[in-house]
Amino acid sequence: GQQVMQIPQYQHVQEGEDFTTYCNSSTTLSNIQWYKQRPGGHPVFLIQLVKSGEVKKQKRLTFQFGEAKKNSSLHITATQTTDVGTYFCAGRGSARQLTFGSGTQLTVLP
Amino acid sequence: DSGVTQTPKHLITATGQRVTLRCSPRSGDLSVYWYQQSLDQGLQFLIQYYNGEERAKGNILERFSAQQFPDLHSELNLSSLELGDSALYFCASSVVAEFTDTQYFGPGTRLTVL
Repeated sequence: GQQVMQIPQYQHVQEGEDFTTYCNSSTTLSNIQWYKQRPGGHPVFLIQLVKSGEVKKQKRLTFQFGEAKKNSSLHITATQTTDVGTYFCAGRGSARQLTFGSGTQLTVLP
Repeated sequence: DSGVTQTPKHLITATGQRVTLRCSPRSGDLSVYWYQQSLDQGLQFLIQYYNGEERAKGNILERFSAQQFPDLHSELNLSSLELGDSALYFCASSVVAEFTDTQYFGPGTRLTVL
């Protein structure tokens, strides 16, 4: 079945440093979504990418969808303590349901 | 606040028991999804209902079942509980049936099986 791998599993950064999490799928995806889950909270939708090579920005967050539509990345510039949480990618391939990556837990040290 | 409500917030029960988790979607959302989140398994899709009908099935065990009622709220029934069923159970809702739609997650129910 479809598998979505996400790395790294954990990332500690100093406040102000950049952060990137990567998502790779075993199959071509029709779309990919990104979610953020704060500690003790629930996943919150951030963005959806649909087109090959698509790049979208939300303030300090930059999301990319690979040309082959099998990988994606989320980059945060100049992290802040409010960025703390777990970031999940979720891809949809031939199956109807979203397959979530295992998540990257981001810790930002002040 | 996503607008999705889940009850109860916490549930502690014993092995072999049966529990029911409840979810009310956002107003206007017809689709409800159930997910299980455990430390070692991440976020696993269980099942989706759309306007009362089962739409998609994921890694849902035969001991688990769900339904969506005419008022669109949904219930997830877990029976013959095992220690490994301890997890956070999230419900999410969206307007339409397709998975390209934005999903809004509820606060979750934390199930502990002793």
